[in-house]
This record gives sequence, C-alpha cells and structure tokens, in this order.
Amino acid sequence: QKEVEQDPGPLSVPEGAIVSLNCTYSNSAFQYFMWYRQYSRKGPELLMYTYSSGNKEDGRFTAQVDKSSKYISLFIRDSQPSDSATYLCAMKGTRAGRRALTFGSGTRLQVQP
Amino acid sequence: SAVISQKPSRDICQRGTSLTIQCQVDSQVTMMFWYRQQPGQSLTLIATANQGSEATYESGFVIDKFPISRPNLTFSTLTVSNMSPEDSSIYLCSVEEGSDTQYFGPGTRLTVL
Repeated sequence: QKEVEQDPGPLSVPEGAIVSLNCTYSNSAFQYFMWYRQYSRKGPELLMYTYSSGNKEDGRFTAQVDKSSKYISLFIRDSQPSDSATYLCAMKGTRAGRRALTFGSGTRLQVQP
Repeated sequence: SAVISQKPSRDICQRGTSLTIQCQVDSQVTMMFWYRQQPGQSLTLIATANQGSEATYESGFVIDKFPISRPNLTFSTLTVSNMSPEDSSIYLCSVEEGSDTQYFGPGTRLTVL
C-alpha cells in the first residue's frame, strides 16, 4: 500500500464548476500538507500549504486537512480552462524528521470551456 | 519564493553515456533535493543534497549511478551515469524554503535511446 493515495483521474468538468481533489494517507507522522499544480512539460508549482488540521483559503482555492481521517482536499471554485493541469498532493513530517516530500500520484484535471 | 533554473531543459542521449544536470538557485538554501518523474508517474525522491556533506540516497538509488555534487549553497549537479532507456524521465531539483515548503525547478526531460 502506498503512503499517499490519490485518484489519477482524469477528471473532466465544465467551466465554472467546483472541483474537489482528494488524497488519503497512512503515515500519522505527516504534519505538513501541500498541493502542487503541474502543467504539461513544466515543473510542479506550489499552490497551497497547510500545517496540521484545518482549512486555508487563497482566492479560488481552498485546502482542507482532516488528520483524524488522514484525508486532505483541494477545492477549486469557478474553475477555468487555465486550471487544466495535474494536481499533486504532497506531505511530510515534523521539521526534525524526514524533510523530503512524499507525493500522491497526481490527478489530471480537464476544465472544458 | 526561490527562483530555480535547470540545465539542460531537455536532452536525447545514447545508451551507455552519462549526462550531468545542473540546478541553480537565486538564493542560498541549505537543503536541495533531486526527484525523478517517470512518464505518467508521480515524483520519486532520488537523494537529498546538503552543502558540505555527502548526499543521502533513497532506497533503490545508488551513488555510482546518480552521483551528486553540492559545492555551495546555490548550486547542485546530478549525473545520470551509464544510461539505459529505463532512465528516460523528467529530473527535478527542489529546494526547501522556510523549513516547511519546497519549490521546484522546471525539470530536465531526458530521453535515452
């Protein structure tokens, strides 16, 4: 079993829809949770970063972390064709521990105009 | 956030040869990481490179195959040695900023014939 599970999609939605992307994880030591967006033939771009449980909002993007369920989500409101990309969740433990990120497999999102 | 550049951006190489990938950061960073992203897959950590110490390799990756240099706080190189078609991947360097988040370079797309 992978440490981080993410549905690979593809997920196809119409423009303006609310998109929900999710990851589950098994390692209770994870404390820092990130979402990256990766366009084709580009490096991953950091979208959202959350420490421990809770919600964080940035424009059209909302990240949620539920550590009790080991479940994280990224919501995209009013989705746009420019949001079409692969979305990767990533996480890591405490600052004293392993510093590298553990990634999900990525969800490919297609927003139809 | 740190600005990261990689050279070359892409290359096509012959089996049995070696390629050195450069990663340059516009600010001094303690921790740098090298990841591999195989076609259609997520990111897998190759090694962690700290300035002034030997790189730490993940299981399945060895120094003879992927030697890494980290001569100062803004630069690192990864060499892919004795290449085979299975080494065809995107190679990404990343840096840790503020102890919690990581930023990625644009990647080097390697094709081995």
